[in-house]
Amino acid sequence: AQKITQTQPGMFVQEKEAVTLDCTYDTSDQSYGLFWYKQPSSGEMIFLIYQGSYDEQNATEGRYSLNFQKARKSANLVISASQLGDSAMYFCAMREGRRGTGRRALTFGSGTRLQVQP
Amino acid sequence: GAVVSQHPSRVICKSGTSVKIECRSLDFQATTMFWYRQFPKKSLMLMATSNEGSKATYEQGVEKDKFLINHASLTLSTLTVTSAHPEDSSFYICSAREALDRSNTEAFFGQGTRLTVV
Repeated sequence: AQKITQTQPGMFVQEKEAVTLDCTYDTSDQSYGLFWYKQPSSGEMIFLIYQGSYDEQNATEGRYSLNFQKARKSANLVISASQLGDSAMYFCAMREGRRGTGRRALTFGSGTRLQVQP
Repeated sequence: GAVVSQHPSRVICKSGTSVKIECRSLDFQATTMFWYRQFPKKSLMLMATSNEGSKATYEQGVEKDKFLINHASLTLSTLTVTSAHPEDSSFYICSAREALDRSNTEAFFGQGTRLTVV
């Protein structure tokens, strides 16, 4: 079974509007972390935002916020006031395991290609 | 933030030759580094986990004799693609986490290496 599911292969948004990128996850661990990365055409992975499974408040980083709904196992990324430079691939990822173990890799979703239109 | 440097960013090699890719943590010590492979328009797939001073752990289906991983120090891991073939052409990217990081946040990625085997 897929551990990370991103159901939107592609999304379009008008500049200055908000957009939500969907992510659902599957794990039996009580402790886990959820990440969002941006990958422009250059290939680098740019960390955007992190949400821990025990964090009670939704994470926010500037224009990025994570809508964390634990019971539904969803961790959607919300980008407010989209900019042309936001056009890229966006990956949701999860690290399972106890806090501080640090040795587990990330499992990535299939990604969503976001295109911001002027 | 922490920086991971990956070199080279692009390489073209002839079929049958070997290629070495380096992943360095520049300002922190990384006991664990991860190597991922990404096919065009696909997600990142974990290839192996590289542990300083011990043998790497390979994911199912990844040939350890073909993809040699060495993690000789706390700041350097290398991936050598041996006897490369056109089907090995891909984007390879590493990530590293600080040895003392207990926050479980962020995995730092290198810039990636685009390998083309001709």
